[in-house]
Amino acid sequence: QVQLQESGPGLVKPSETLSLSCNVSGDSVKSYYWSWLRQSPGKGLEWIGYIYFSGDADYNPSLKSRVSLSVDTSKNEFSLRLRSVTAADTAVYYCARRFIAGMLVFDLWGRGTLVTVSS
Amino acid sequence: EIVMTQSPATLSVSLGERVTVSCRASQYAAHNLAWYQQKPGQAPRLLIYGASTRVTGVPARFSGSGSGTEFTLTISSLQSEDFAVYYCQQYNQWPPVTFGGGTKVEIK
Repeated sequence: QVQLQESGPGLVKPSETLSLSCNVSGDSVKSYYWSWLRQSPGKGLEWIGYIYFSGDADYNPSLKSRVSLSVDTSKNEFSLRLRSVTAADTAVYYCARRFIAGMLVFDLWGRGTLVTVSS
Repeated sequence: EIVMTQSPATLSVSLGERVTVSCRASQYAAHNLAWYQQKPGQAPRLLIYGASTRVTGVPARFSGSGSGTEFTLTISSLQSEDFAVYYCQQYNQWPPVTFGGGTKVEIK
């Protein structure tokens, strides 16, 4: 059974970088495209971007200038970095698997991790 | 980007009732529409993709319909485990894929 588990700091200071990882268990990180999404009361569900182990990636234009995604095949995990965070980046962050090639829908999600941006 | 608008924001429903949730896209979305269910403290769960195709394991009481800019999620007979928030998501035009604001189905 494939499972995803997010990890990383729950508190980040304004202007700093938010860094999260998502560990994939039960399958190889090379098998699928992976995404990050976030959910906040103010903005609802928001897609951040996707990454493939080859380096193929795409991002939400609204976040593209601040986001980078990467895959570490040796650890079977993928990661999110979001630079220059503000309070508006406070949200529950989810990692998720793309369901079917060509369809950017998400059939497997991590449990989510709350990240608060505050000094 | 395509803006997704759901209605109503909240539905108060009794067990066994039929539930209809609407989702409207600001631009043409073809059949590239998914529905998710989210319960408190949990991640969203994919129910339907391609506007009307149920994911394996999703009960048959859930159905989706529509195309273009108007979509509907129907629960034919509401069960206790169906009380949740439902989201639509378009994936016809991306980046970015976009989600509706959610419809909360609560106990009447």
